[in-house]
Amino acid sequence: QLQLLESGPGLVKPSETLSLTCTISGGSISSGSFCWGWVRQAPGEGLEWIASVYYTGDIYYNPSLKRRVTVSVDTSKNQFSLKLRAVTAADTALYYCARHVMVRGIRTPRWFDSWGQGTLVSVTS
Amino acid sequence: EKEMTQFPATLSVSPGESATLSCRASQSVGINLAWYQQKRGQAPRLLIYGASTRAIGIPARFSGSGSGTDFTLTISSLQSEDFAVYYCHQYNNWPPWTFGQGTKVEIK
Repeated sequence: QLQLLESGPGLVKPSETLSLTCTISGGSISSGSFCWGWVRQAPGEGLEWIASVYYTGDIYYNPSLKRRVTVSVDTSKNQFSLKLRAVTAADTALYYCARHVMVRGIRTPRWFDSWGQGTLVSVTS
Repeated sequence: EKEMTQFPATLSVSPGESATLSCRASQSVGINLAWYQQKRGQAPRLLIYGASTRAIGIPARFSGSGSGTDFTLTISSLQSEDFAVYYCHQYNNWPPWTFGQGTKVEIK
């Protein structure tokens, strides 16, 4: 059974870089049927998609965050990572990694079918 | 950016009754719409994709319908475990993929 586990610091100072890793077990990051995504949820708010990455390195970004976001894949460790630069209090959120389904014949990923439990990141001095 | 509007924001329903949740897109998304359930303190769970296809393991009391700009999630005969927040998600046009703000289904 697929499991996704987010890891990283729970506290980040303003203007610094938030770094998270998602470790996949029970499945392969190199599966051609899936992208791997990051979604966040500010306290009491809804869901915001951040970015998704294919094992080949193809990346899909939310334009509103693109200039601050880096995502990458490490196939040897079955992990993918998120870096968000120049954080502010507005970046305080629960960060989820999720599996983003690819459908044959369609270039971009579709729905999220499996999610990690999330990790809370607070931006505070 | 395709905006997704969910209504009502909160729905009060008695156990055993049905609940109808709505999601409206600012532009047509075809049938490229998913629904998720999020219980307090938990990650979202995929319920429906392709506007009407139930995900693996999702009970038949959950049904989705609609196309274009108007979509509905119906939960028939609500069980105690169904009280949660529900989100719609359009994946028709990127960027970005967007979610609605959620509908909270609470016990009446």
